[in-house]
Amino acid sequence: QSVLTQPPSASGTPGQRVTISCSGSSSNIGRNTVNWYQQLPGTAPKLLIYSNNQRPSGVPDRFSGSKSGTSASLAISGLQSEDEADYYCAAWDDSLSGWVFGGGTKLTVL
Amino acid sequence: QVQLQESGPGLVKPSETLSLTCTVSGDSISTYYWGWVRQPPGKGLEYIGYIYYTGSTSYNPSLKSRVTISVDTSKNQFSLNLRSVIAADTAVYFCARSPTGGPGARTLDYWGQGILVTVSS
Repeated sequence: QSVLTQPPSASGTPGQRVTISCSGSSSNIGRNTVNWYQQLPGTAPKLLIYSNNQRPSGVPDRFSGSKSGTSASLAISGLQSEDEADYYCAAWDDSLSGWVFGGGTKLTVL
Repeated sequence: QVQLQESGPGLVKPSETLSLTCTVSGDSISTYYWGWVRQPPGKGLEYIGYIYYTGSTSYNPSLKSRVTISVDTSKNQFSLNLRSVIAADTAVYFCARSPTGGPGARTLDYWGQGILVTVSS
């Protein structure tokens, strides 16, 4: 049982816009920033979004993040086949004094 | 460009100790937090713990009684020991870095490629 809640799956067709939600609590998302990771099969998670809505260098602007209260979301516009991957949200948790993760959302590009 | 590389045995017997090392290159191990995260096959990510270069640590309460993380600044390495392992500890273990301040504070930004550790007799 993950501390942050994500839908297990999402899907879209090429060119579409999809969003993935992430729900937490006051001790994590409510007080701290949210990060998003993309994980391709057999690889390490790759940082996609940090500080709620910031993109590391090299991440396309098709990826965007937002946060409101104790929830956050990742949006992917202009969906491409290479976006098919697992996506995880994460945040620092003040009660845990460590990071908590969502259970992951498997994105399928139809 | 900072790089992290996990190393250690890929097979550990039940009740024994899992020991992994993360070697950091391209940056000093000082001034960052260094963490361990694991991922059981087909499942999500689980935070294990982290260490600051000074040796200060924090662990996931669910694993705290069995985990020790240490740092060797002279070798630019940090290590994970997980005692009394069981089959449920089978996972890919990742090491990762987190800045301590600024916009990316408390973000696990750079990750190692991961190492699969299987607990089996």
